[in-house]
Amino acid sequence: EVQLVESGGGLVKPGGSLRLSCAASEFTFSDYSMNWVRQAPGKGLEWVSSISRTGNYIFYADSLKGRFTISRDNAKNSLYLQMNNLRAEDTAVYYCARDPPSSGWYFDLWGRGTLVTVSS
Amino acid sequence: QSALTQPASVSGSPGQSITISCTGTSSDVGGFYYVSWYQQYPGKAPKLMIYDVSNRPSGVSNRFSGSKSGNTASLTISGLQAEDEADYYCSSNTKSSTQVFGTGTKVTVL
Repeated sequence: EVQLVESGGGLVKPGGSLRLSCAASEFTFSDYSMNWVRQAPGKGLEWVSSISRTGNYIFYADSLKGRFTISRDNAKNSLYLQMNNLRAEDTAVYYCARDPPSSGWYFDLWGRGTLVTVSS
Repeated sequence: QSALTQPASVSGSPGQSITISCTGTSSDVGGFYYVSWYQQYPGKAPKLMIYDVSNRPSGVSNRFSGSKSGNTASLTISGLQAEDEADYYCSSNTKSSTQVFGTGTKVTVL
């Protein structure tokens, strides 16, 4: 089955770090740009970061201010998000989402998400 | 980058048509033909409904259609059905090479 499965979420104290992973299966992972999108409890969707097929191009939401780092390992069909200096406002479900090769930028496949809770 | 503006809620009776607006600026919605729309049920992941303003992915009902005029994009659901009750989000490229989502619209089928 074509799918994305996130892992690595959990409870972390303010100022702590967490690394999220997203495992891709049943499609050619290296053909797609990948993204992280988050959703705070009861709130809307917020785009977090994007990485190109080879990792040459990386973009972040301005609000992250250098605390998050996106990366990928095409040999392992995996996407990552390293989150440092976490704050209460980073509490959210984090989704990985696939961006198909096209002139546009949209998300045609989503994982189920992993919950990150930042609390003391 | 501020979120795109959507109405908080839209409602309609079964069989009716409803339209959800998504208003941005010339730096996002107005500057690209790359608006997408997502449907999300409570506790579930979003699902792509429309991409590149008006294209439907395979498997999405033709009751869903998209359009854009200036800085405002729209999603129309025709022949409203109970299963269409969900949250809907628009999204757009920006001139800063980022993505921005809309504030979200809750669709209620009366």
